[in-house]
Amino acid sequence: AQTVTQSQPEMSVQEAETVTLSCTYDTSESDYYLFWYKQPPSRQMILVIRQEAYKQQNATENRFSVNFQKAAKSFSLKISDSQLGDAAMYFCAYRSLNYGGSQGNLIFGKGTKLSVKP
Amino acid sequence: NAGVMQNPRHLVRRRGQEARLRCSPMKGHSHVYWYRQLPEEGLKFMVYLQKENIIDESGMPKERFSAEFPKEGPSILRIQQVVRGDSAAYFCASSPGVPGNSPLHFGNGTRLTVT
Repeated sequence: AQTVTQSQPEMSVQEAETVTLSCTYDTSESDYYLFWYKQPPSRQMILVIRQEAYKQQNATENRFSVNFQKAAKSFSLKISDSQLGDAAMYFCAYRSLNYGGSQGNLIFGKGTKLSVKP
Repeated sequence: NAGVMQNPRHLVRRRGQEARLRCSPMKGHSHVYWYRQLPEEGLKFMVYLQKENIIDESGMPKERFSAEFPKEGPSILRIQQVVRGDSAAYFCASSPGVPGNSPLHFGNGTRLTVT
């Protein structure tokens, strides 16, 4: 079974600085998707960025980028020029490409709580 | 285009009562997923439904929990005879079809408190 591990329960960053959130996962599959979701206090789950495992190029969305190391099964999120609105819980998630009954089943890590200091 | 709508936002039930959580997927989405989030935890998959069919319920407790997604109307997650351990945030997500690389769209969740 696949697992997702986020080893940093809490992180803190100064406004305008850069922070990296760690995520590792375990799988025997070769094709899959990885996601980072943001959950602010409003509780809404907001997609931040996604990565297809077959793509070597790291995904980028404005100030958010990932460092995807497939061999190491690592998928870290880098937030550049941090803003106060970035403060939230961040969840790393894995989804199999297995087109069986488990498709769509996102496996989440326990999350990292990010604080942004003004 | 309204997103995934969940109601109620907050639900309080006494032990032994029934809880009904509703989810209306995004327009055009026929696949619905339910997740549960315990305090200080990530979301855990419960069940995956298409219209009138349960595709995968491997994450659903065997007793007291049931889910449906009828041809008309919202998806319902039903918890019978609630216990304190059922207190959690329950999230619904939807997708237009087989997810592929399309992200799931989540609702804002229903926080269930069992007193």
